[in-house]
Amino acid sequence: EDQVTQSPEALRLQEGESSSLNCSYTVSGLRGLFWYRQDPGKGPEFLFTLYSAGEEKEKERLKATLTKKESFLHITAPKPEDSATYLCAVQAASGTYKYIFGTGTRLKVLA
Amino acid sequence: GAVVSQHPSRVICKSGTSVKIECRSLDFQATTMFWYRQFPKQSLMLMATSNEGSKATYEQGVEKDKFLINHASLTLSTLTVTSAHPEDSSFYICSARDSGGANSPLHFGNGTRLTVT
Repeated sequence: EDQVTQSPEALRLQEGESSSLNCSYTVSGLRGLFWYRQDPGKGPEFLFTLYSAGEEKEKERLKATLTKKESFLHITAPKPEDSATYLCAVQAASGTYKYIFGTGTRLKVLA
Repeated sequence: GAVVSQHPSRVICKSGTSVKIECRSLDFQATTMFWYRQFPKQSLMLMATSNEGSKATYEQGVEKDKFLINHASLTLSTLTVTSAHPEDSSFYICSARDSGGANSPLHFGNGTRLTVT
């Protein structure tokens, strides 16, 4: 069964304290892995797409990496405005192109 | 970038009434839109896939007669929650993929918080 697990569930960081969020997945052939940011009461905002192991994408303080079993979202020198829930989703290569979402990591960055 | 607009953002209704939620793709055409439901601190759960000009495809366990979906144009899909009950209270979010094809990412609306009293 296709599955996505994110860890940790919640993370508190001091401003400037770098860390990584994990997204482990099992899927019958990966079409793509997606990272989203979700603010309270809002819909998810697209961050990155990763397609194959070894691929990396960067945007400001965020960097996403992908292996055959997991993806990491590295946050370098975070600021309070980076506080949000970060969601990971995978899309299987076969079937109906559905996204399977993890439950997210709630990040709180303290000033 | 692709923008998906959802309306209303919040709605409160009485038990037994129906509520319609609109989802529009503002700067692209979407032959397919997706409706999700999200409970607090839980993952997004796909409810149904909305197909322009044809019937929606519902996920297992989702009542198609309760959650009516209409996708009458390439930029508009609607979800109607019929005879709403308190257990239907949730956060409903629509999404669409832009014209980049099946590998392009989903873009989400800002969601609708439905409260049924």
